Amino acid sequence: AQTVTQSQPEMSVQEAETVTLSCTYDTSESNYYLFWYKQPPSRQMILVIRQEAYKQQNATENRFSVNFQKAAKSFSLKISDSQLGDTAMYFCAFMKPNSGYALNFGKGTSLLVTP
Amino acid sequence: EAQVTQNPRYLITVTGKKLTVTCSQNMNHEYMSWYRQDPGLGLRQIYYSMNVEVTDKGDVPEGYKVSRKEKRNFPLILESPSPNQTSLYFCASRPGLAGTREQYFGPGTRLTVT
Repeated sequence: AQTVTQSQPEMSVQEAETVTLSCTYDTSESNYYLFWYKQPPSRQMILVIRQEAYKQQNATENRFSVNFQKAAKSFSLKISDSQLGDTAMYFCAFMKPNSGYALNFGKGTSLLVTP
Repeated sequence: EAQVTQNPRYLITVTGKKLTVTCSQNMNHEYMSWYRQDPGLGLRQIYYSMNVEVTDKGDVPEGYKVSRKEKRNFPLILESPSPNQTSLYFCASRPGLAGTREQYFGPGTRLTVT
């Protein structure tokens, strides 16, 4: 199985500030997909953003953007203008096509946004 | 509303008492899977199904069974639950090869085995 590492178990950011969550992965594949999921206290898993490995352009969704460094196998998530509602656990996930669509998750980063 | 539903949402049971957690999706998705989430471990895949009558093991299948008799349903069966199966369980679905790469998750089932 591919290994996904999130090196920051917990992070804190003040409202309106920017925060970056780190994720690295290990694979020998050239074609794959990467995701960031958000899990608020409700426990619902919510897709934040996704990136196809064959695309060089970094994905962006409103205040959320990624820095995808394929050679370095790095996939960080940047949250701009942080809001209280961004407080959640964030999971980085890797999916290899034709592997049964299994998502390999990191252990998560708990993000707290403070007023 | 497009969604994945799971029942029950919370369950407390005793060791050895068979139980089933149901999962249903209304999006006509071919692919469905089960994950368990444990503190400090993230989510790990238990079983998945590429289509009706096609199932396969994920990373942590021991102690679990699944079936896929209908496209919309994918129940998770614990024949003889043990305390180490206390966890938060998620069902997920996604379209087949022609669809997007996103998996849609159910709301989760909190299982406690005493």
